[in-house]
Amino acid sequence: GAGVSQTPSNKVTEKGKYVELRCDPISGHTALYWYRQSLGQGPEFLIYFQGTGAADDSGLPNDRFFAVRPEGSVSTLKIQRTERGDSAVYLCASSLRQYETQYFGPGTRLLVL
Amino acid sequence: DQQVKQNSPSLSVQEGRISILNCDYTNSMFDYFLWYKKYPAEGPTFLISISSIKDKNEDGRFTVFLNKSAKHLSLHIVPSQPGDSAVYFCAASGHSGGSNYKLTFGKGTLLTVNP
Repeated sequence: GAGVSQTPSNKVTEKGKYVELRCDPISGHTALYWYRQSLGQGPEFLIYFQGTGAADDSGLPNDRFFAVRPEGSVSTLKIQRTERGDSAVYLCASSLRQYETQYFGPGTRLLVL
Repeated sequence: DQQVKQNSPSLSVQEGRISILNCDYTNSMFDYFLWYKKYPAEGPTFLISISSIKDKNEDGRFTVFLNKSAKHLSLHIVPSQPGDSAVYFCAASGHSGGSNYKLTFGKGTLLTVNP
């Protein structure tokens, strides 16, 4: 079956701009997660959705970052007033339920110039 | 403060030999551990996991060993194959029964298996 998909695969933007990153989880998976991987580091947790609600957004670095999952399937990570330090690979993962194995998408590579 | 540490950035082994990847953790609340494999331009792929109630879990060529007293785990790949060449991430979570929603990852170890 289809895995987790993320669009765009690459995004180049200028400092101060707004970007949206999209994640399509595996069909039927109720739990969805966003992670950020900076160069030379492992993925770091950003936010977790159970259904439509953000059950834990403690990993979001500041209020420029926001994520939604309005219908409990597709999720969008939104970054306002981008900064060069936001450059990273943004990974999305989904699992059938909480505590189940997380399956990752290929990531969106964001470069802020 | 890194709670999950993979102190070897890279490892090179010959095809057919054993690969041993190591991981240390500092948070005693962690009770579930996973290994993910990552190829370039792809997302991490789940490989194998172990709960803290066990000290060993085996799946084909892959075995994970857990030493709770030392807060150390290792992944053994036997025999190693060139297709195993990838970055391996160790990850941990703080709830038993499965993969918790908040995984804490190490920095990864690049494994190269030479033909």
